[in-house]
Amino acid sequence: GQNIDQPTEMTATEGAIVQINCTYQTSGFNGLFWYQQHAGEAPTFLSYNVLDGLEEKGRFSSFLSRSKGYSYLLLKELQMKDSASYLCASSVDFQKLVFGTGTRLLVSP
Amino acid sequence: DGGITQSPKYLFRKEGQNVTLSCEQNLNHDAMYWYRQDPGQGLRLIYYSQIVNDFQKGDIAEGYSVSREKKESFPLTVTSAQKNPTAFYLCASALRTLDGYTFGSGTRLTVV
Repeated sequence: GQNIDQPTEMTATEGAIVQINCTYQTSGFNGLFWYQQHAGEAPTFLSYNVLDGLEEKGRFSSFLSRSKGYSYLLLKELQMKDSASYLCASSVDFQKLVFGTGTRLLVSP
Repeated sequence: DGGITQSPKYLFRKEGQNVTLSCEQNLNHDAMYWYRQDPGQGLRLIYYSQIVNDFQKGDIAEGYSVSREKKESFPLTVTSAQKNPTAFYLCASALRTLDGYTFGSGTRLTVV
């Protein structure tokens, strides 16, 4: 079976740091993706982890622990434009992505 | 510029009618995907295709059909058998899954 869990909603303040967690139980796991989706728009790629550890890309970092079935997305120096949904997705059998329900992040001034 | 195009952006359908959503890519990607997104929900996989003339059912294929006659095109038909078709439909493509997807801008289908 495939199961991916994320918090439904989070709030944070401009300039702060926020961590969005994702736990997964997926057979045929190959890697973990994070996407950003603004309301009414298509998702855009943020990061990808296949090995354990931290991947850093500017203000965004993503961490993976395969043994724990756990990942997180870290957003630093939050900006108002970061208000969006963040989707965690597991690559399965090198064929497809299985998505979680997404975390809606609201950044306030 | 390469990309993936979905049309139309908004679509209205009467109950009982079939409707086809278009998805075209010029990225030379082998794999193409159709997802459905309901309000406040994540993406659920309808169908996917790794190669021309071959496709597989996703988690919610009932009431939908696809074809993959050309590498560039992967149209989705929403049939009258789909009981709750109102949703946001997203098409995506990838060279390989581990390269990540490129998404189209989506089609919002409303049944009236």
